[in-house]
Amino acid sequence: EDQVTQSPEALRLQEGESSSLNCSYTVSGLRGLFWYRQDPGKGPEFLFTLYSAGEEKEKERLKATLTKKESFLHITAPKPEDSATYLCAVRVETSGSRLTFGEGTQLTVNP
Amino acid sequence: NAGVTQTPKFRILKIGQSMTLQCAQDMNHNYMYWYRQDPGMGLKLIYYSVGAGITDKGEVPNGYNVSRSTTEDFPLRLELAAPSQTSVYFCASREGANYGYTFGSGTRLTVV
Repeated sequence: EDQVTQSPEALRLQEGESSSLNCSYTVSGLRGLFWYRQDPGKGPEFLFTLYSAGEEKEKERLKATLTKKESFLHITAPKPEDSATYLCAVRVETSGSRLTFGEGTQLTVNP
Repeated sequence: NAGVTQTPKFRILKIGQSMTLQCAQDMNHNYMYWYRQDPGMGLKLIYYSVGAGITDKGEVPNGYNVSRSTTEDFPLRLELAAPSQTSVYFCASREGANYGYTFGSGTRLTVV
């Protein structure tokens, strides 16, 4: 069974304190790993897709990386507006277009 | 460009009642999905569709039904509501299998 595990469940940072969120996966035939941001009371917002080990993508203070077993979302010098829940999801060769989501990491950045 | 529109935003149902959650997208996406999100449980796939007239079950389809008569609309039907269906429901669409989802803003449903 495909599994996606995110850690930590919650993370509190001070403004400017860089850190990383982890998404580990146990799947057969990865076809893509997706990162989303979700603000309270809203739907998830797409951030990145990674397809192969070694791939990296960046957007403002966020950088996503991928290995054969996990992905990291690095947050550099975060600001309070980066506070949100970050979700990762995988698409595998047997699932067609469907995604399997992890449970998310709730990030709080204090000023 | 409205994206994915869900209605209603909030609803309280009594046990045994039925309702339809509406989802419409204006991006001409073929792929559409219904997820539920429970606290601490992540997003679970209920039903999905790869095009008009084609639907299939996800991980947690029991108690729900869907139809896809047009590209734009993908309603989710709850028959005989149960407290276990209390959740936040998200509809999503995507242009193709390798694209990210575009989510609606969700429907918060409480069954009492």
